[in-house]
Amino acid sequence: DAGVIQSPRHEVTEMGQEVTLRCKPISGHDYLFWYRQTMMRGLELLIYFNNNVPIDDSGMPEDRFSAKMPNASFSTLKIQPSEPRDSAVYFCASSRQVAGGYEQYFGPGTRLTVT
Amino acid sequence: LAKTTQPISMDSYEGQEVNITCSHNNIATNDYITWYQQFPSQGPRFIIQGYKTKVTNEVASLFIPADRKSSTLSLPRVSLSDTAVYYCLVGDRNSGGYQKVTFGTGTKLQVIP
Repeated sequence: DAGVIQSPRHEVTEMGQEVTLRCKPISGHDYLFWYRQTMMRGLELLIYFNNNVPIDDSGMPEDRFSAKMPNASFSTLKIQPSEPRDSAVYFCASSRQVAGGYEQYFGPGTRLTVT
Repeated sequence: LAKTTQPISMDSYEGQEVNITCSHNNIATNDYITWYQQFPSQGPRFIIQGYKTKVTNEVASLFIPADRKSSTLSLPRVSLSDTAVYYCLVGDRNSGGYQKVTFGTGTKLQVIP
């Protein structure tokens, strides 16, 4: 399996521009997660989906952030308009419905820089 | 939600066994213990997960005492490539969902040649 695939790996944009991050989960996984990591705040869960349906988006910082999962193999995280404080590494992760804990598989991340 | 406490950092020489302990005094009956490893500029990598006693895989062992108030991740004969941040997570996805789980600051392991 190719693992979780994210694109782009790096994104540099100017304040006010729209940014779209993409994720392809591991085939057969029915949960998909979007995380953000910064030095100040660590790793934060933004939103997660189960069977393509958003379950909890309470971690999404503002209305400027939106996420979609149109099918089982694709998800996007959009920031519009972007701001410098959105600069971070954004990770996508996926998992299967299994009992118990928090086994997830992370992608390589997208490093976003907003100038 | 069970709060976890783990050392901020640890140093170890190559070839030694490393044990990282995580305290979780208020762990709930259905909670599992999950460990992740994160290298710089990479996403966290799932290492091991357990509920009680001992779990072992090709990467590590996880020791959980009977009271489950702590757990120890054991890495046998570490190499320089094991230098990473290690996170301990405690919870039950079936009752608490995912939103309440936090990765915290983790333990930064530095392996010395």
